[in-house]
Order: sequence, then C-alpha cells, then structure tokens
Amino acid sequence: EVQLVQSGGGLVQPGGSVRLSCAASGFTVSSNYMNWVRQAPEKGLEWVSVIYSGSDTTYYADSVKGRFSISRDNSKNTLNLQMNSLRPEDTAVYYCVRSVDISTGTVTRYFDLWGRGTLVTVSS
Amino acid sequence: SYELTRPLSVSVALGQTARITCGGNNIGSKNVHWYQQKPGQAPVLVIYRDTNRPSGIPERFSASNSGNTATLTISRAQAGDEADYFCQVWDNRVVFGGGTKLTVL
Repeated sequence: EVQLVQSGGGLVQPGGSVRLSCAASGFTVSSNYMNWVRQAPEKGLEWVSVIYSGSDTTYYADSVKGRFSISRDNSKNTLNLQMNSLRPEDTAVYYCVRSVDISTGTVTRYFDLWGRGTLVTVSS
Repeated sequence: SYELTRPLSVSVALGQTARITCGGNNIGSKNVHWYQQKPGQAPVLVIYRDTNRPSGIPERFSASNSGNTATLTISRAQAGDEADYFCQVWDNRVVFGGGTKLTVL
C-alpha cells in the first residue's frame, strides 16, 4: 500500500528543537519531490519545505528559513524535518506530503499523497 | 504576493449541486488544484490541473477554471461531502486558498 507514516512531534518549549520523520511505503522517497505542509489550529494550509528528487536541492518558506532543515534517509526510505529555534507560531499539525511537479508548459506543483499529520505544540 | 479568495462557507441541500469558488488575478492562466479535508483528517487531492480527478474520486466532483475564477462543482451532494475544501496554485511558490466549509443540509 502506498502511504506515509509520520512520527515525532509533541510539546516543546519555545527555543527548543524537535525532529519529525515520515516513513514511506509503496514508493521511493528519493525518486519523488517530498514536502512538509503545516496547518495551525483552525487555520489554513501553509507549505513549509521541499526536497527535490535525485538531488539535495531544498527550499523553505520564509517563515522557517534558517531554523528548519529537510532531509532524506534513502536507506530507510524516510523524510525528515529538523525544527530548531521553535516559536509559538510554529504550533501546527505538520503533514509529510508527496508532490507532483510540472516544470514544462504551465509550471505547477500539486500534492497527491499526504501523511496523517503530527501535532507540534510550542509552549512553555 | 499572489492571493486566493474564497467564500468562508457554502451550504447545499442533500442531493443538489454545490459550487465552491476560488478567485485570483488571472487564475485561468494557472493550474488549480483542489483538496478535501474532513475534520481530524489529512487533506485529500480531489482535482488536479484544473479538471482532472485522481483515481478513486467520484465523478460527482468536477471543476473548471477561467478568467479570475476557478470553481469546484460537487453534484448530487452527499452528507459525506461535508468538509473543508482548499484550492491551490503555483505562483513561483505554493499558494493555498484559505478553505471553504461545505455544509450539506
């Protein structure tokens, strides 16, 4: 079955760190564009980060740049998000998401497979 | 930055047709994607690249995109269609609409 199983998260103090992991089954993480998307309580969706297939190219939303780091572990077929210097406004459900990126014609990206999400709460 | 506008809520009678709009400057020149999110669950892709349904999404879900408005249409609405619906585009970055709550009466 094609799925993403997430782990990590929980309650962390402001300024603290947490690592999220996402194990893929049914497909290869390194052959796909993989993203993190978050959703603050009762709010909309916010894209956080992407790592490109076949390379170590990464991009981040301005709101997390310099604090978060996305990575892959190809041996475990997993995606990770290291979150440092956490702020209360980082409180959200974090989703691991596979995307389809179209780079010719009308350039676009859409998200075709989502993990179930993991809650990160930043509070003292 | 590119912004997407939407109604906060849409109501539809059971068995009738619901239309959820997503507005943006010349959105018709972009590909629009739609996601359904039920309470406590992750979003699910229901329409990609304006009009395409992923495998497993009922034919009752359709969409269009032209000018400054994209529209998701849900025919023969069912109680199970109650959810938040988000539109999304690419404008040199990922842009999500704020979500529309669909209520089936």
